[in-house]
Amino acid sequence: GEDVEQSLFLSVREGDSSVINCTYTDSSSTYLYWYKQEPGAGLQLLTYIFSNMDMKQDQRLTVLLNKKDKHLSLRIADTQTGDSAIYFCPREAGNMLTFGGGTRLMVKP
Amino acid sequence: EAQVTQNPRYLITVTGKKLTVTCSQNMNHEYMSWYRQDPGLGLRQIYYSMNVEVTDKGDVPEGYKVSRKEKRNFPLILESPSPNQTSLYFCASRPTSGNLQEESSYNEQFFGPGTRLTVL
Repeated sequence: GEDVEQSLFLSVREGDSSVINCTYTDSSSTYLYWYKQEPGAGLQLLTYIFSNMDMKQDQRLTVLLNKKDKHLSLRIADTQTGDSAIYFCPREAGNMLTFGGGTRLMVKP
Repeated sequence: EAQVTQNPRYLITVTGKKLTVTCSQNMNHEYMSWYRQDPGLGLRQIYYSMNVEVTDKGDVPEGYKVSRKEKRNFPLILESPSPNQTSLYFCASRPTSGNLQEESSYNEQFFGPGTRLTVL
């Protein structure tokens, strides 16, 4: 199966919270990352979490890591239209990043 | 401005005509990498380089070559492009890992803007 699984699409209304989920087949990465890709652009690191942490909060972003279930989530509070993008949660394995298919977040005004 | 640049940004070519996509970074990063992005498949790593003259295959290296003669440049070479190499290509760079047990040693990769390649 896929190393990193993500749902393909999420649609929310502006001002609501968004939750994007990732599931891994292997949870051995030291760090787990969330990257954002805006239309027509490259990827930018949004946030990351160290593997010995359960939660990390960074302004509107909350990352939750459940190592037992190999599950990572990104919660965006008060979602704005500028948050519309594709979100990736790559797993780090040695010297490589393994990506899932990405979740396209659409924010409706 | 710290950045990763790629050229060209868009390219339409024909099967079998050799091409090179250049990648350059000005951050003195040791590590550089090439990915291709296809709908529903996310990004897949083609090749990476840990430092000058050191390159390794990623998940999908077939049909591609790379070289790392200088620290700042990491060109991607398609000797005989085929239509299945039509894709969006990204170059990325990062410093060499520090002590991975320290939270400050996370490995942020810096991505270029992408090169959209069409092979007819």
